[in-house]
Amino acid sequence: GESVGLHLPTLSVQEGDNSIINCAYSNSASDYFIWYKQESGKGPQFIIDIRSNMDKRQGQRVTVLLNKTVKHLSLQIAATQPGDSAVYFCAEGMRFGAGTRLTVKP
Amino acid sequence: EPEVTQTPSHQVTQMGQEVILRCVPISNHLYFYWYRQILGQKVEFLVSFYNNEISEKSEIFDDQFSVERPDGSNFTLKIRSTKLEDSAMYFCASRGQARDTGELFFGEGSRLTVL
Repeated sequence: GESVGLHLPTLSVQEGDNSIINCAYSNSASDYFIWYKQESGKGPQFIIDIRSNMDKRQGQRVTVLLNKTVKHLSLQIAATQPGDSAVYFCAEGMRFGAGTRLTVKP
Repeated sequence: EPEVTQTPSHQVTQMGQEVILRCVPISNHLYFYWYRQILGQKVEFLVSFYNNEISEKSEIFDDQFSVERPDGSNFTLKIRSTKLEDSAMYFCASRGQARDTGELFFGEGSRLTVL
């Protein structure tokens, strides 16, 4: 069946470095994607979204890139901070992928 | 800042018992959702609700589950006869815009433990 998934379950980066979290999706008809951040013991928090008619969208310190040709989505976090440590989920519409745990080392 | 609130924060129940989880969505939102997250796993979509009826549900949302908006503010998830595998964190979410797009606001979750 159709699914949304993550390339890596964990990612560790040094404070101040840029982070890139990847996501693959299988439904070529998908037209709306969202990245969520989930801190320990909390509910998911919306970070940024992108529609399929766009390739790139930027927010505050975050950028989402969409490559429809290879059905790949990425979240880039600039100058990663300790407060960015969390699990990051990509979602296609209402359905979440498996999540990547980002750990920021001081 | 408006937020989605959920009660209880933690409920422990015996297998076979009925459980009702409650949510108060953001007041001017029109679309409501329930998700669950088994410990350490991904967030799984259960059901979406709009205009007093279910608009979409997943394969997880079987006859043991039901949702209701009994008044103008609450949105509830009922599990009729709980099973051990229903133990999870249940998240309510709401959205003000179209059903499938726009920011989804999540509550802090209700942890259900079935013994």
